[in-house]
Amino acid sequence: ILNVEQSPQSLHVQEGDSTNFTCSFPSSNFYALHWYRWETAKSPEALFVMTLNGDEKKKGRISATLNTKEGYSYLYIKGSQPEDSATYLCASNSGGGADGLTFGKGTHLIIQP
Amino acid sequence: ETGVTQTPRHLVMGMTNKKSLKCEQHLGHNAMYWYKQSAKKPLELMFVYSLEERVENNSVPSRFSPECPNSSHLFLHLHTLQPEDSALYLCASSRELRGLNIGYTFGSGTRLTVV
Repeated sequence: ILNVEQSPQSLHVQEGDSTNFTCSFPSSNFYALHWYRWETAKSPEALFVMTLNGDEKKKGRISATLNTKEGYSYLYIKGSQPEDSATYLCASNSGGGADGLTFGKGTHLIIQP
Repeated sequence: ETGVTQTPRHLVMGMTNKKSLKCEQHLGHNAMYWYKQSAKKPLELMFVYSLEERVENNSVPSRFSPECPNSSHLFLHLHTLQPEDSALYLCASSRELRGLNIGYTFGSGTRLTVV
């Protein structure tokens, strides 16, 4: 069974500031690492899927890095905006294809105007 | 709309009732999933269907019974539930591309309350 841990649990950031948070996962039998954004009353939305050690992905002001050897991923948000307020979920799976994901509890991000 | 539709959005049922949750996707995905979100817990995988065959069952109690009649539809049949089964039930679908799951598309979920 995988244990995916995310920190911090919640975070308040001033609008315009940059921030980052962490996901840690077991590095053995690693296959892929996913990040999702989940806004209140909406569906979780896929941000990134990463598989290779050293992967870096970017989508607008949001980027993510992956270290599979030590088992962690960082999500960065540059110049936070109120619309970035959401819960950010990290998930990992140890098999390929259609295997289910093991999710962390998420980081709840609140951007203060 | 994400392309994954779940009905109903909210459901209140008694412990002796039988009800079903429905999930539908027309994204051409070949795998579908049921997840449960309880308060202060991470999303928990319940069932996986790949190409309409169940591939993972994660020790879910038998009062939850999934059904996948085709690649676009997924059901979760509920029978004799307990109050602790009250939770948000999320459906997701995904496509496997060259052995890689390229990310889930989630539905909006069914908020279930068992009384």
